[in-house]
Amino acid sequence: AQKITQTQPGMFVQEKEAVTLDCTYDTSDPSYGLFWYKQPSSGEMIFLIYQGSYDQQNATEGRYSLNFQKARKSANLVISASQLGDSAMYFCAMRGPNSGYALNFGKGTSLLVTP
Amino acid sequence: DGGITQSPKYLFRKEGQNVTLSCEQNLNHDAMYWYRQDPGQGLRLIYYSQIVNDFQKGDIAEGYSVSREKKESFPLTVTSAQKNPTAFYLCASSGTGGALGYGYTFGSGTRLTVV
Repeated sequence: AQKITQTQPGMFVQEKEAVTLDCTYDTSDPSYGLFWYKQPSSGEMIFLIYQGSYDQQNATEGRYSLNFQKARKSANLVISASQLGDSAMYFCAMRGPNSGYALNFGKGTSLLVTP
Repeated sequence: DGGITQSPKYLFRKEGQNVTLSCEQNLNHDAMYWYRQDPGQGLRLIYYSQIVNDFQKGDIAEGYSVSREKKESFPLTVTSAQKNPTAFYLCASSGTGGALGYGYTFGSGTRLTVV
């Protein structure tokens, strides 16, 4: 079975600072994909970044980067230069063959960016 | 424009009634998914379907039923057997296969309230 753990229920960060959201995972699949999604108060799910288990380099997408440490089974999201609009829930998710390729989500981290 | 449509946005149901949530996509995606989200919680998988006329139970299928008669449509019925149906329901679709980088496209969600 796959399991995603996000240990930070809530985080604060000051505008323009960087913030790291933690995610650890557990899986027996040798091949898997890791995702981060953002959910504003409107409820929509916004895809941020993807990391494949065999990717050699950490994924980056604009201000988002994924700190992938395979041996430690962690996939932390780093947001640089935080903006007020970054305030939202953030979910880490994983998919692999053992889950029928369905995404398994963590419980999320609520991020509040302050002026 | 291609996308995934959930309707209605808000739904009220009396206890003991069945209710069906609609999910339609025109992205030509093979796979479709239903998730439930409770306040402060992550997304939990209810059912998923990777091909027409076939679907699998997720982690919390009890009290729910689905059908997949067409590639474009994956309706979810919340039955009276579901003890606590008040929640936010999200539908998603994706490509299938071994390419783990296929992300999801999410609908905008249906907020179901039992009155």
